Amino acid sequence: KNEVEQSPQNLTAQEGEFITINCSYSVGISALHWLQQHPGGGIVSLFMLSSGKKKHGRLIATINIQEKHSSLHITASHPRDSAVYICAVTWTSGSRLTFGEGTQLTVNP
Amino acid sequence: DVKVTQSSRYLVKRTGEKVFLECVQDMDHENMFWYRQDPGLGLRLIYFSYDVKMKEKGDIPEGYSVSREKKERFSLILESASTNQTSMYLCASRPAIYGYTFGSGTRLTVV
Repeated sequence: KNEVEQSPQNLTAQEGEFITINCSYSVGISALHWLQQHPGGGIVSLFMLSSGKKKHGRLIATINIQEKHSSLHITASHPRDSAVYICAVTWTSGSRLTFGEGTQLTVNP
Repeated sequence: DVKVTQSSRYLVKRTGEKVFLECVQDMDHENMFWYRQDPGLGLRLIYFSYDVKMKEKGDIPEGYSVSREKKERFSLILESASTNQTSMYLCASRPAIYGYTFGSGTRLTVV
């Protein structure tokens, strides 16, 4: 069983919609990462957080340590936001990343 | 801008060939990682290195080896390529704590 669960697996939205992608994990972490992967493969790190909330442009990431849950929000979505969004965690016991399976987001014009 | 550079975006190799995938980072990071990514399986760790000449097996090291002779370069070696090693390979690096940076990926096809 994957210890990092993402939902939904696939998400289709219309341009301008508010989007939420969720990530849950099983035990204590030292950090949670949100990553973006466009077609062609390269991965970009969007956020790294261990508490609270971070914002960058139209992207907002939140984490609730007690509930072991994080969300990535995209406001005023745009077709260029279409990508796979991956949640990954670094467990407190080690330094490796454990990845969720990713959420394929498609934003239609 | 910090950078992790993978030497090739696309590679096609024959079964049985020895294949080298190169990764170079310019950030003086201690830790470097090699992952492969396959549909339905997500990203899986092959090997990582936390210092020059140091290496640790990840979750799927079979059929692979690595080399880290200099801090900035981490090479993944397929000793005898097989078709089940056709995949997207991603390199990443990070300093002592936090802050991963990923390369653009190498899509390897073994025929």
